[in-house]
Parts: sequence; C-alpha cells; structure tokens
Amino acid sequence: AQSVTQLDSHVSVSEGTPVLLRCNYSSSYSPSLFWYVQHPNKGLQLLLKYTSAATLVKGINGFEAEFKKSETSFHLTKPSAHMSDAAEYFCVVSERSGGSYIPTFGRGTSLIVHP
Amino acid sequence: GAGVSQSPSNKVTEKGKDVELRCDPISGHTALYWYRQRLGQGLEFLIYFQGNSAPDKSGLPSDRFSAERTGESVSTLTIQRTQQEDSAVYLCASRIRTGNNSPLHFGNGTRLTVT
Repeated sequence: AQSVTQLDSHVSVSEGTPVLLRCNYSSSYSPSLFWYVQHPNKGLQLLLKYTSAATLVKGINGFEAEFKKSETSFHLTKPSAHMSDAAEYFCVVSERSGGSYIPTFGRGTSLIVHP
Repeated sequence: GAGVSQSPSNKVTEKGKDVELRCDPISGHTALYWYRQRLGQGLEFLIYFQGNSAPDKSGLPSDRFSAERTGESVSTLTIQRTQQEDSAVYLCASRIRTGNNSPLHFGNGTRLTVT
C-alpha cells in the first residue's frame, strides 16, 4: 500500500531565502512521485515528477526535488523564495494497486513568503 | 480548450437535494479521476475510470455518491440527498494513459456548498 506524509503543515520563509518542503512516502514497489502546487482559487499545477530516471528532478519556477530511496524521501527545494511562490504544495505518490493506478496525495504544506 | 473542464464552478444546494457535477477530460486521456478536497485538507480519492474497464469505486464515501463515464468522454459525479459534510471542492483530473508515471491534469473544480 502506498502513502505519503508531508511533515510540515506550514512553512514560513523570507523572500530570497531557501525553501525546503519535506515529503516522505511509503510504497510497495517502484513508485512515481510528483509535486503539485495550488495557488489560491486556482487549479492544481504539476511542478515536477520522478519516474525512476535521474534522482534529482528539476521542475518549473526553479523548484527541484531529490528522490532518496534509502530515506524514502522526496523533498522539494528552491534556492531563493519569491513572493509568488506562496501557495499550497502537495506531494503525491503513484503506484499500481490491484488493477488500478490511484495517485495518493499528502495533506499539503502551505508555503508563506514574507517580504 | 485544451484543459480539463468542470461545471458548474460553484454550486449551492439545500440539504437533502441531489446534485450532479460534470467533468470534460482532455481529449485522448483514457484515465479519469474524481477527488474531494475539504477546506484546508488534502485531496481524497473518490473514483477512477480507465477506458471501458469497470471503475474503481473504492474511495466513494457512501452509497449516496455515484459516478458515470461513457468510454473516454464526459464524466458526471452525482451526490444524492446531500448533507452538510458533503460541502467541499470536487476536483476532476485526467491522465493520458494508465500507468503510474504520467501526470494528472486537473480541472479548476466545483465548489459545493450544502446549506
């Protein structure tokens, strides 16, 4: 069975400082992992995905994530936060379960960026 | 349009009434998902359609909830005898194919308020 834990419900940073949003997963097989972003009153947008190629994945808007199998982690980082990064971020794990592929979402981390 | 389209965008209904929510997936996407997002929470899986296969209904919270999809086209989610706890944003997503490494493409959701 698959599951995903986002370790922080809220992360607060100052503009221009690094961002770290933590995600740990549990999976029986080789999962695919995704990060999505949801800006206020907008739809969910894919930031990046890991699908067993390179372990360091680069996404849009300067975000990247590193897949660490030994730690079952897929943390999202950005070197320098921008005000426009303020949003809700979801870590997602997807693997086959029975005959279905049902992505499981974490509870989300709210990123707050202070000027 | 190229994206997933959901209607209505907002729906206010009285407790006990039935509601029907609609999702138009991206053309050619074989997989379609419905999720529910309660205020301040993550996404809760409801139901999954893959082509003409039997849907995976394992996430439906009660027999008041049902969904249909004909082939690879439009899907409707029906909630009968709505309750206040049904108030949430209902999100539809489609995927180009089955398998765990293609990303979900989300609609903007239907915000359901049960009074």
